[in-house]
Amino acid sequence: KAGVTQTPRYLIKTRGQQVTLSCSPISGHRSVSWYQQTPGQGLQFLFEYFSETQRNKGNFPGRFSGRQFSNSRSEMNVSTLELGDSALYLCASSLEYGYGDTQYFGPGTRLTVL
Amino acid sequence: AQTVTQSQPEMSVQEAETVTLSCTYDTSESDYYLFWYKQPPSRQMILVIRQEAYKQQNATENRFSVNFQKAAKSFSLKISDSQLGDAAMYFCAYSGNRDDKIIFGKGTRLHILP
Repeated sequence: KAGVTQTPRYLIKTRGQQVTLSCSPISGHRSVSWYQQTPGQGLQFLFEYFSETQRNKGNFPGRFSGRQFSNSRSEMNVSTLELGDSALYLCASSLEYGYGDTQYFGPGTRLTVL
Repeated sequence: AQTVTQSQPEMSVQEAETVTLSCTYDTSESDYYLFWYKQPPSRQMILVIRQEAYKQQNATENRFSVNFQKAAKSFSLKISDSQLGDAAMYFCAYSGNRDDKIIFGKGTRLHILP
């Protein structure tokens, strides 16, 4: 089976712009989670989607949003980019929703905000 | 709220030696799952080992084993016969209530010395 894929792999934006990141889960996986990874803060949970519904949300401002499509593919959007949004954004999929399911991670999208 | 603490930001071990990475967590739940994930430099995060709290037996995966002390809320990872390919960031993670997100520790960067 193909693994979790994320596009694009690298992105450079300027402050004030918006960005959309995409994640394709492993075939058959219905849950997708998003994380922001920075050297200082580690892995911070953004949100989790299951069956096109957001099931959990982390402590991020409303500029961060996401959605999941009927084929389980997911996108996250960051509007009005700030310098502090520079990070590695990881997507992870799991078979079912939460609790004990192993998460399978994608390679990440490296976002740089100038 | 549940928390996961990895007290060793960085560790080094000689190749072929054994190393133990520490992880403690705080929870009031009795049923939960614990994980160790490995993130090699510039590569995808992968699951190393998974432990179900209601199982007394410590999980093992080849050279990787855990010491799960439920009463002490401790979940350490032991890597035997360390290899150069074990060099990575290791994250401890907790998954409890079905309606809550997975919580990651801040990670331990492991260096393998040849």
